[in-house]
Amino acid sequence: EVQLVESGGGLVQPGRSLKLSCLASGFTFSNYGMNWIRQAPGKGLEWVASISSSSSYIYYADTVKGRFTISRDNAKNTLYLQMTSLRSEDTALYYCARHRGWRSGYFDFWGPGTMVTVSS
Amino acid sequence: DIQMTQSPSSMSASLGDTVTINCLASQDIGNYLSWYQQKPGKSPKLMIYGATNLEDGVPSRFSGSRSGSDYSLTINSLGYDDEGIYHCHQYYEYPNTFGAGTKLELK
Repeated sequence: EVQLVESGGGLVQPGRSLKLSCLASGFTFSNYGMNWIRQAPGKGLEWVASISSSSSYIYYADTVKGRFTISRDNAKNTLYLQMTSLRSEDTALYYCARHRGWRSGYFDFWGPGTMVTVSS
Repeated sequence: DIQMTQSPSSMSASLGDTVTINCLASQDIGNYLSWYQQKPGKSPKLMIYGATNLEDGVPSRFSGSRSGSDYSLTINSLGYDDEGIYHCHQYYEYPNTFGAGTKLELK
């Protein structure tokens, strides 16, 4: 059974940093591209970042480019999102999701999400 | 960036009804369109990919179609389990973008 479990969320002050993790199981992690997608309270979905299976291709939304870094450790079946210079508008539930496809694709499995709240 | 204009933003329908949700892409995305169902407090669930392909395990009451840059999700024989928010998503290019969502409620 495919499982994705995010962790690392919490309350953080503006300007500070936070690192999210997503532990994958139930599939060959190194064969799939992975993504971070967020959802602000009561709002729609916003794609944040994507990384290919071997980390060769990495893409970011303009809203986080230069502040967030997506990475992965295939030996540990883990996806990461390093978030720096956090702003109040980064407050959201952060999902990791697997995509089916080559560089881009649809999201066939999602984790339950980890909440990030940016507030003083 | 590709804009996905989703409509309606909310709708109410009766048990057994047929409903249609639409997404209009601001430029050509081919069939690189997926649909997700999200229930309160849960993560989104893939329903349709490639504009018209039903994900494994999704009831055949759900279907997707395309007419040019207009994409539709149709649900036949509406049931209470179909309540939730539906999101369209284009994965033709980066940045991937989503529609604003359609909240479906049963009367």
